[in-house]
Amino acid sequence: GESVGLHLPTLSVQEGDNSIINCAYSNSASDYFIWYKQESGKGPQFIIDIRSNMDKRQGQRVTVLLNKTVKHLSLQIAATQPGDSAVYFCAENSGGSNYKLTFGKGTLLTVNP
Amino acid sequence: DARVTQTPRHKVTEMGQEVTMRCQPILGHNTVFWYRQTMMQGLELLAYFRNRAPLDDSGMPKDRFSAEMPDATLATLKIQPSEPRDSAVYFCASGLPPGLYNEQFFGPGTRLTVL
Repeated sequence: GESVGLHLPTLSVQEGDNSIINCAYSNSASDYFIWYKQESGKGPQFIIDIRSNMDKRQGQRVTVLLNKTVKHLSLQIAATQPGDSAVYFCAENSGGSNYKLTFGKGTLLTVNP
Repeated sequence: DARVTQTPRHKVTEMGQEVTMRCQPILGHNTVFWYRQTMMQGLELLAYFRNRAPLDDSGMPKDRFSAEMPDATLATLKIQPSEPRDSAVYFCASGLPPGLYNEQFFGPGTRLTVL
């Protein structure tokens, strides 16, 4: 079946560097995507989302890029901080009245001081 | 601030026992989701409700799992009888009606261990 997957299961960066977390999706009908951050012992926390009619959306220190041609989603974190260390999940919604999100397996981001 | 709450936060039980997990969605959210998270399977959707009616429970083992919303402020997930393979973290999430953006707000989870 169609699924959301991640290229890199782990990512280690130095504090202050920029981080890029990638996600590949296979459902061409998906029209809404979310990035979630999950810290140890906590539930997933919304970071940023994007509709399929957009290529880019920016938040505070985060940017989501969507490339529908190759079905690729990325999360860029500027000036990564130790508090950014967590597992990051991308999720897709295939649209319509379907309210279900399909989550990827997650990428563990570790920020070294 | 508004947030999803879940009880209990941790539950250890023996195989065969009944387990009930509770969730209070954010006030005003009419869509409630139940997820299960394991290392092997990641986050899996078990069921979701809109306006207290079950819309999709295809991800839930029907023989032992049941999900209900007795009222707009309470959602329950019950496992009877529990099995060791049910050990996982169970998350509840709530959201607004589908619109331009469909963010789901997650609770802190219930960590279930079945011995």
